[in-house]
Amino acid sequence: DAGVIQSPRHEVTEMGQEVTLRCKPISGHDYLFWYRQTMMRGLELLIYFNNNVPIDDSGMPEDRFSAKMPNASFSTLKIQPSEPRDSAVYFCASRSSGTGRGYTFGSGTRLTVV
Amino acid sequence: QQQVKQSPQSLIVQKGGISIINCAYENTAFDYFPWYQQFPGKGPALLIAIRPDVSEKKEGRFTISFNKSAKQFSLHIMDSQPGDSATYFCAAVVSGGSYIPTFGRGTSLIVHP
Repeated sequence: DAGVIQSPRHEVTEMGQEVTLRCKPISGHDYLFWYRQTMMRGLELLIYFNNNVPIDDSGMPEDRFSAKMPNASFSTLKIQPSEPRDSAVYFCASRSSGTGRGYTFGSGTRLTVV
Repeated sequence: QQQVKQSPQSLIVQKGGISIINCAYENTAFDYFPWYQQFPGKGPALLIAIRPDVSEKKEGRFTISFNKSAKQFSLHIMDSQPGDSATYFCAAVVSGGSYIPTFGRGTSLIVHP
């Protein structure tokens, strides 16, 4: 099991550009979560999916943020247009509803918007 | 609204010492309390967890102490090692549905050799 796979690991982009972060959850996990981590705000839940369906996106900070999960093995988080205040580490995590309450996090994408 | 308050924000301990991280919560519906460990460049990983029907849980050098009446719980790392240097997050979960944790702000632990 390769765990939760995120790409890219690092992304540097200019303000105003579109950014797409990618996540491959663990096979068989039916929940997928996107988090943002900053020094100021800690770990923030942005959105989560159950069986590929978005359940709660109340944590998405602005309409510039969008997330999709077209199938059980792939999800994207898109920021368009990006702003310097979006600079953070973005984590994807997955969990199976049948195997307890622990998440498995990916290694994250460090986004820098200049 | 910070539902889980974690302290201290940072902690420096000598090798062999005891590291103690404290968390407090307000929502009495929380019924599962995991701790996550995060190394630099990695995502948080589940370390140890406790349910409120017990007051203590120990796994190796890591112990969770739980005080239901005070709505507080803490992580104790005995015989702290440099390899324990990481950020630790406490969390609280309401069972049912998606089990989404409410995370504390994190504690950066440095263990000096």
